[in-house]
Amino acid sequence: DVKVTQSSRYLVKRTGEKVFLECVQDMDHENMFWYRQDPGLGLRLIYFSYDVKMKEKGDIPEGYSVSREKKERFSLILESASTNQTSMYLCASCKGGSASYEQYFGPGTRLTVT
Amino acid sequence: TQLLEQSPQFLSIQEGENLTVYCNSSSVFSSLQWYRQEPGEGPVLLVTVVTGGEVKKLKRLTFQFGDARKDSSLHITAAQPGDTGLYLCAGASNDYKLSFGAGTTVTVRA
Repeated sequence: DVKVTQSSRYLVKRTGEKVFLECVQDMDHENMFWYRQDPGLGLRLIYFSYDVKMKEKGDIPEGYSVSREKKERFSLILESASTNQTSMYLCASCKGGSASYEQYFGPGTRLTVT
Repeated sequence: TQLLEQSPQFLSIQEGENLTVYCNSSSVFSSLQWYRQEPGEGPVLLVTVVTGGEVKKLKRLTFQFGDARKDSSLHITAAQPGDTGLYLCAGASNDYKLSFGAGTTVTVRA
C-alpha cells in the first residue's frame, strides 16, 4: 500500500513565525504535491514537484515555498505565517508516467495561526 | 473558480435510500477520479475513469464518465452510515495536476 505521512496532524503557530510542514512517501513516486483545503473551496494546489530539486507553482503559491532535496520528501514552508493561512494542508504523491495520475494523500495537517 | 462543479453541495438521506452526486465541467479531461474524505483525514481514491462512456462499479457505488469526458456521476445504492463523508471529483488534463471540485458532503442517517 502507498503510504504518505505528514509530520504533524495539528499545529498551532503565531503570526510571523516560520512554519515547516513535512511530507514523506514510501512508494518511490516521482511527483509530489501540496494542497490547502478550505470549506466550500475544495483543494487548491500550492506547489508541486516532479523530480528532486524541481518545483513548480500551483494556483496559490503566494506566501509559501517548498523544498525537495530527496525523492521521498517534500517540505512546505510558510516564511511568515499569517492568520489567512489557517487551513488544512494536504500532501499527495503520484507515480510519474502514469496515464491516470492517481494521487495518494497523507492524513493532513490542520494548521491554526493565531 | 472551480473548473469542476459538483452538485449538490450537501446531501442528507436515510439509510437504505439511493443518492447521486454530479460532477460537471466545460473542460475535457483525460481521466477523472473520485475520492472520499472522512473528517480529519486525507482523501482516499475510490476510482479512476478514463474512457468516455465508461461505467465502473465498486460494490454499491456506480461511477460513470460522460461520453465527452467532461462530466461524471457517482450513484450509491442502498446507502449505509459508513458511506458518510465528503466526496470529491478530480479531473486530470495533460500534466500531473488535478482540478478538484469543491466536494459533496453526504450524510447517511441510521
